[in-house]
Amino acid sequence: SQTIHQWPATLVQPVGSPLSLECTVEGTSNPNLYWYRQAAGRGLQLLFYSVGIGQISSEVPQNLSASRPQDRQFILSSKKLLLSDSGFYLCAWNRASNQPQHFGDGTRLSIL
Amino acid sequence: AQSVTQLGSHVSVSEGALVLLRCNYSSSVPPYLFWYVQYPNQGLQLLLKYTSAATLVKGINGFEAEFKKSETSFHLTKPSAHMSDAAEYFCAVSDDGAAGNKLTFGGGTRVLVKP
Repeated sequence: SQTIHQWPATLVQPVGSPLSLECTVEGTSNPNLYWYRQAAGRGLQLLFYSVGIGQISSEVPQNLSASRPQDRQFILSSKKLLLSDSGFYLCAWNRASNQPQHFGDGTRLSIL
Repeated sequence: AQSVTQLGSHVSVSEGALVLLRCNYSSSVPPYLFWYVQYPNQGLQLLLKYTSAATLVKGINGFEAEFKKSETSFHLTKPSAHMSDAAEYFCAVSDDGAAGNKLTFGGGTRVLVKP
């Protein structure tokens, strides 16, 4: 069966520090991969998606970037975090466009 | 562009009462529609999906939703609420784009179940 892992589960970082969140999927190949952010009291916003290695699409201009160095690995990064980057970050995957997305357990990011 | 509207950011129901969560969408193409549930500090779990088959869709935990094209709605219901149903629920629509399908989420409805 397929599983998705995100880490770390929680992270507290100072303003201006770098960020790297990792997401991996097991049990499938060539998945579509997604990064979402859920800010407090708000819905989910799609940040990036990827349909293959090295292929990244950005949905909103922001302080973050994403990379897909391997087929089942999706990384969310920042060189310098802002206070507004705080939130709950969720990674998701699916196999085909008419299939539901499956979500990881998320990373709670707090910026001090 | 797609959009999803969930009427009511908070819903309070008594245990054993009907749960009704409303979702209306806009989409320029036949949509794929989903309901997800999120428990505190967890990811989203799929409750059910509509992908142009039966208009009444049954999901997990006793939930079901009905697709009504004329009303552009996909409301979620459960006949009898249980304490474990307290969570946040999200309706989402997919654009089935060639470059991966992007989900557009509603703002979520938080359900409180009173004993």
